[in-house]
Amino acid sequence: AQRVTQPEKLLSVFKGAPVELKCNYSYSGSPELFWYVQYSRQRLQLLLRHISRESIKGFTADLNKGETSFHLKKPFAQEEDSAMYYCALSGYSGNTPLVFGKGTRLSVIA
Amino acid sequence: SQTIHQWPATLVQPVGSPLSLECTVEGTSNPNLYWYRQAAGRGLQLLFYSVGIGQISSEVPQNLSASRPQDRQFILSSKKLLLSDSGFYLCAWSPRAGGSGELFFGEGSRLTVL
Repeated sequence: AQRVTQPEKLLSVFKGAPVELKCNYSYSGSPELFWYVQYSRQRLQLLLRHISRESIKGFTADLNKGETSFHLKKPFAQEEDSAMYYCALSGYSGNTPLVFGKGTRLSVIA
Repeated sequence: SQTIHQWPATLVQPVGSPLSLECTVEGTSNPNLYWYRQAAGRGLQLLFYSVGIGQISSEVPQNLSASRPQDRQFILSSKKLLLSDSGFYLCAWSPRAGGSGELFFGEGSRLTVL
């Protein structure tokens, strides 16, 4: 069964401090991992996916198959990063429904 | 370009009343369609998904149902709402073929059952 765990409901950091949003997954095959973000009064949208290996808005995430983790990181938090972040998993084909974690609310304090 | 619309945006309904939330996608054909519920402390829960007209997969047994009468239309229904049905409902679509697994979400429908 597919499962995504985000252990923190709320994460508060000061502006300029490093950020790490944790995500662990459980899946028997080769997963596709994603991070989605929902800013206030905006739609839920894709932030980044592990296969792209890209940095979006300063955020990066590395898939660690040994630890079954896909933590989201940013070296210096900005106030505009305050949002709800969801980690999600799909089967390798990309045609199975995404399973989401419960989400972590990031609050960046000025 | 592709767009997805959900309505109504906000709904307040009494317990026991029926429900109909509608979702329409434009600018694409044969999309996969999804209904998720976003509830406080429970994250995003997949309710239904559809890979074609009349093809509905249910992920969570409950008093909700879904239908896909047309290729780009997805409807979430209930005959009798419960208090526990309150939440934020999100419709989403993804390409049938060649997709990367990314979902494109609507703006959501907030349902309050009193």
